Amino acid sequence: QKEVEQDPGPLSVPEGAIVSLNCTYSNSAFQYFMWYRQYSRKGPELLMYTYSSGNKEDGRFTAQVDKSSKYISLFIRDSQPSDSATYLCAMRGSARQLTFGSGTQLTVLP
Amino acid sequence: DGGITQSPKYLFRKEGQNVTLSCEQNLNHDAMYWYRQDPGQGLRLIYYSQIVNDFQKGDIAEGYSVSREKKESFPLTVTSAQKNPTAFYLCASSIMASGNQPQHFGDGTRLSIL
Repeated sequence: QKEVEQDPGPLSVPEGAIVSLNCTYSNSAFQYFMWYRQYSRKGPELLMYTYSSGNKEDGRFTAQVDKSSKYISLFIRDSQPSDSATYLCAMRGSARQLTFGSGTQLTVLP
Repeated sequence: DGGITQSPKYLFRKEGQNVTLSCEQNLNHDAMYWYRQDPGQGLRLIYYSQIVNDFQKGDIAEGYSVSREKKESFPLTVTSAQKNPTAFYLCASSIMASGNQPQHFGDGTRLSIL
């Protein structure tokens, strides 16, 4: 079993929809959680960064961490075609190494 | 502009050949990383460096080598010992290697076998 599980999709939604992207993990030592957006043939771009449990909002994006369930989510409100990309979750504990999910491919249809 | 520059964008390797991928950053970050990305898989760590003249193996270091002679540069050599080198290689950096510093990525080098 992988340490971090992420549904690969693909996920297609109409423009304006609310998108929910999720990751589950098994290592209870993880305490730093990140979401990256990766466009085709580009490097990942840091979208959200949270520490421990709770919610964090930045514009149309909300990151949610539930450590008791070992579950993290990224919500995108009012989705746009420019949000079409692969979304990667990543997490780490006190170790220096990031553990990544395999990514969810999202398409927002105009 | 501050950022991480990887070159070349595309690279082809012949059988038995070593190739070197360049990574340069002007963010004044101490820590630098190399990842490999394969389709349908998450990023896997090859090597990382916390400071100049120091580097550590990641999960999949076999067949790769690195050096860190300057703070801003962390080149990766894919040696002939790496039997399956075709992948997208990503370089990243962070202010420090400690847990509360996020990593920022370059735009990658796509390596293929001729």
